[in-house]
Amino acid sequence: GAVVSQHPSWVICKSGTSVKIECRSLDFQATTMFWYRQFPKQSLMLMATSNEGSKATYEQGVEKDKFLINHASLTLSTLTVTSAHPEDSSFYICSAPDRRSNQPQHFGDGTRLSIL
Amino acid sequence: KQEVTQIPAALSVPEGENLVLNCSFTDSAIYNLQWFRQDPGKGLTSLLLIQSSQREQTSGRLNASLDKSSGRSTLYIAASQPGDSATYLCASTFEFGNEKLTFGTGTRLTIIP
Repeated sequence: GAVVSQHPSWVICKSGTSVKIECRSLDFQATTMFWYRQFPKQSLMLMATSNEGSKATYEQGVEKDKFLINHASLTLSTLTVTSAHPEDSSFYICSAPDRRSNQPQHFGDGTRLSIL
Repeated sequence: KQEVTQIPAALSVPEGENLVLNCSFTDSAIYNLQWFRQDPGKGLTSLLLIQSSQREQTSGRLNASLDKSSGRSTLYIAASQPGDSATYLCASTFEFGNEKLTFGTGTRLTIIP
């Protein structure tokens, strides 16, 4: 079964709306989670690293005031797309490394965001 | 800057054939490499993980190899089936203790019944 739960799976909203996406690790603690963005027919690009109890680390070119990340507990990270515009429409995926052993990273099922 | 590339971008093969997908990376100081499968509109399914100290990993009909010196990894799929049709992504971590992944460009695989 899924070890990382991402919610919602699909969002359609009007331009100017803020949208929150949740990423939860279900049976392990994740002090670090990653947020990726994927445009159609392209690969995944890392947006930011979410760190429990501290500020997120953003990749070059990603606006931190636009994409707010909160990692308030060891099992939950949230990404809020503030004042979303059509160009923010994309597929957002989170991942969480399971450090208990040499496990591959676990990915959420993704959130498809469509801004009208 | 680490870069990961996959060639070809798309591949079609008849059902039953064996095939190889390629992944190249620019930084030989790779920590581990992972192969994923992505179905249209869906998230990622992890297929195989190869640590830098390993040369290959096998799971069922899948075999992944890693050659750090040449900067290459391959994913071998034996006896392909229509259900194998998907986009295959390789991704690497390049730093111990930092699990952020650099993804390849992906290969869209179609198995023709």
